[in-house]
Amino acid sequence: ELKVEQNPLFLSMQEGKNYTIYCNYSTTSDRLYWYRQDPGKSLESLFVLLSNGAVKQEGRLMASLDTKARLSTLHITAAVHDLSATYFCAVLNYGGSQGNLIFGKGTKLSVKP
Amino acid sequence: DVKVTQSSRYLVKRTGEKVFLECVQDMDHENMFWYRQDPGLGLRLIYFSYDVKMKEKGDIPEGYSVSREKKERFSLILESASTNQTSMYLCASSFEAREQYFGPGTRLTVT
Repeated sequence: ELKVEQNPLFLSMQEGKNYTIYCNYSTTSDRLYWYRQDPGKSLESLFVLLSNGAVKQEGRLMASLDTKARLSTLHITAAVHDLSATYFCAVLNYGGSQGNLIFGKGTKLSVKP
Repeated sequence: DVKVTQSSRYLVKRTGEKVFLECVQDMDHENMFWYRQDPGLGLRLIYFSYDVKMKEKGDIPEGYSVSREKKERFSLILESASTNQTSMYLCASSFEAREQYFGPGTRLTVT
């Protein structure tokens, strides 16, 4: 059974600092997705990582995937308040039917001035 | 732009009522999903469908059923609503095993 673990679950950081969110998963998969959710809103797709070694960057966020270690990271560079949100990783579950994703519990990020 | 819409943003129902949540997507996606989201528990998959009239149980199907009569529409049905079904319900769709696009969510309160 595929399990997805994110850490930390809560992250309070100051503006301008760097930090990394980790997403570990328990069985083989080579597709991983990162989503952002603002309070009271739905999930918005951030990154799609489709192979080992994949790296994607947008603004102050960079995501990478190591399928051998079953690990993805979401790195935040020089955080700003606008990045405050909850971030979810999701892993494609090949054991299920096509398109079935397993989500981590989410990391609630709060960026303070 | 992919658009996934849900019939209501907020819904209040009484215990024992039958509740219908509707989801419509406009991108001809084969796959559609229903999740519920609760604080501390993340997103949990209730049911999903990979074709018209096809459905599969997710992690927490008890107390729910679904219907997919047309490709663009996926309905979640609470046969007899209970207070422990108070939650945020999110619908999503995807093409093959690709990223899922989410609707705005329905916050359901059962009193």
